[in-house]
Amino acid sequence: KAGVTQTPRYLIKTRGQQVTLSCSPISGHRSVSWYQQTPGQGLQFLFEYFSETQRNKGNFPGRFSGRQFSNSRSEMNVSTLELGDSALYLCASSRDGGPGANVLTFGAGSRLTVL
Amino acid sequence: DAKTTQPPSMDCAEGRAANLPCNHSTISGNEYVYWYRQIHSQGPQYIIHGLKNNETNEMASLIITEDRKSSTLILPHATLRDTAVYYCIVRSGGSSNTGKLIFGQGTTLQVKP
Repeated sequence: KAGVTQTPRYLIKTRGQQVTLSCSPISGHRSVSWYQQTPGQGLQFLFEYFSETQRNKGNFPGRFSGRQFSNSRSEMNVSTLELGDSALYLCASSRDGGPGANVLTFGAGSRLTVL
Repeated sequence: DAKTTQPPSMDCAEGRAANLPCNHSTISGNEYVYWYRQIHSQGPQYIIHGLKNNETNEMASLIITEDRKSSTLILPHATLRDTAVYYCIVRSGGSSNTGKLIFGQGTTLQVKP
């Protein structure tokens, strides 16, 4: 079956612009999470969406936002870009079958460079 | 979720078993141990998870001590393609935190010819 698809894979923006990244989860997966990876901070959790609602949020400023659509596809947006937003943005999906172990499947990521 | 401690780096000879340790001394009864790995510039890849018992799948084995305070991921016959950063993560089984993983710095495993 198809994996988690993220678009675009690479993009370059300038400071002050905004960017929207897209994530299509594995069919049947209802939970979508976003992560930021930088050399200095490592992998950090941004937020998680489930049934079109934000269920968890990491410690990031309000410039980082997201949403989930009825088909479970998700987008994240970063407004007023800063140089420090340059990172690999990863999306992960999960079936979320209830209590117990839940395995995340990650996409290949979107690499954002802010100039 | 409990904190984990892993060595920053390890080397392993190709074809030999790679044993990656993880300490999670504050783990609680409903917390699972997960292992993911990340090959350079790719998304993390799930390897294996366990609660109490040892687990084995086509990729690896997970050995959890009886007191559950530590675990070891075993790659039985390491290949050059196993060179990656390996993350040990402890997380509760509740569905409310499904998508939230707390990644540490992980162990960089270098498999050498």
